Amino acid sequence: GAVVSQHPSWVICKSGTSVKIECRSLDFQATTMFWYRQFPKQSLMLMATSNEGSKATYEQGVEKDKFLINHASLTLSTLTVTSAHPEDSSFYICSARDRGREQYFGPGTRLTVT
Amino acid sequence: QKEVEQNSGPLSVPEGAIASLNCTYSDRGSQSFFWYRQYSGKSPELIMFIYSNGDKEDGRFTAQLNKASQYVSLLIRDSQPSDSATYLCAVNWRGNYGQNFVFGPGTRLSVLP
Repeated sequence: GAVVSQHPSWVICKSGTSVKIECRSLDFQATTMFWYRQFPKQSLMLMATSNEGSKATYEQGVEKDKFLINHASLTLSTLTVTSAHPEDSSFYICSARDRGREQYFGPGTRLTVT
Repeated sequence: QKEVEQNSGPLSVPEGAIASLNCTYSDRGSQSFFWYRQYSGKSPELIMFIYSNGDKEDGRFTAQLNKASQYVSLLIRDSQPSDSATYLCAVNWRGNYGQNFVFGPGTRLSVLP
């Protein structure tokens, strides 16, 4: 149990375009989903927390207009990177939590902006 | 500021030895503690969690928690080369908007055959 999927697993896009990443909890209802970013050889950095049906809470320094998060259902959250630039190239990982305290991570999406 | 600290390593141990990974945290209100393993280029996977003071064992893994010292550790017995990875300590605390995780920077473990 506790499987979280992400799609796509990797994506290459041109500078200035937008990219949408999906995060799904497959066998449980995720009341809260988290989006992280991880640069090479660095630890996970929390970008935002989203609860189903409400607006996401962004961490300090994360542009909410650039990283759009939608958590429309208990099993799906999406992150849209708008007007992507090369510095947005990173490994984006979502995690999901049900009413318990454990978080389960998706496999991650590697974004490369050329 | 909620902080979680780990020695970045690398920590090198010979195959079959015990690997000891340590983590300290700053917030006395932290309620639960997690150890994740992350292989290079992959997402973290949950190994263990612990909520109460003392030891918790699961196979070759033992988590130890001392809330008075704000210290949590992970012991890996009979270390195998496949255990070579970065180990992330995460601390859960109740903030204004619900429960949040704070991750440590991770300790890179290398098990030498």
